[in-house]
Amino acid sequence: GQQVMQIPQYQHVQEGEDFTTYCNSSTTLSNIQWYKQRPGGHPVFLIQLVKSGEVKKQKRLTFQFGEAKKNSSLHITATQTTDVGTYFCAGPSAGGTSYGKLTFGQGTILTVHP
Amino acid sequence: KAGVTQTPRYLIKTRGQQVTLSCSPISGHRSVSWYQQTPGQGLQFLFEYFSETQRNKGNFPGRFSGRQFSNSRSEMNVSTLELGDSALYLCASSLTNTAEQFFGPGTRLTVL
Repeated sequence: GQQVMQIPQYQHVQEGEDFTTYCNSSTTLSNIQWYKQRPGGHPVFLIQLVKSGEVKKQKRLTFQFGEAKKNSSLHITATQTTDVGTYFCAGPSAGGTSYGKLTFGQGTILTVHP
Repeated sequence: KAGVTQTPRYLIKTRGQQVTLSCSPISGHRSVSWYQQTPGQGLQFLFEYFSETQRNKGNFPGRFSGRQFSNSRSEMNVSTLELGDSALYLCASSLTNTAEQFFGPGTRLTVL
């Protein structure tokens, strides 16, 4: 079945350092979404990428969708303690008939040391 | 608008019992999806309902079932609970055919 892999599983950084998490799908995706889950919280939608090679920025966050639409990355510039949490990528599941069925990556747990 | 609400927030059951979890989507959202989150398996899709019909189903045994009511509220039921069913159960709602999934706070189920 479809698999979405994310690396690294954990990332510890000092405040001010950059952070990147990578996502790879076993199948071509029509779109990819990114979510953030704070400790003890629930996933919160960050962004959706649809086009091959698409790059989107949200303040210090930069999201990329690969040319083959099978991989994606999230880069945070100059991390802050508020960036702490788990970052998930997710894509529509193969055979899914709507956006409501997502396959999530395992997530990258980001810890930021002040 | 109020967010997605889930009740109860915490639940402790024993093996063999059954449980029903409830989810109220954001007003106007007709799609409701359920996910199970565990440290080992991560976020796994259970099922999705739209207009009272199950539109998608994940790879979970038949002990897991759900339904959606005419007001879009959804319930999921787990029968004959097993220890491995201990997890955070998350409900997400969305507008028709849009990507953004709005997650509720989840129900933390512990099976003893």
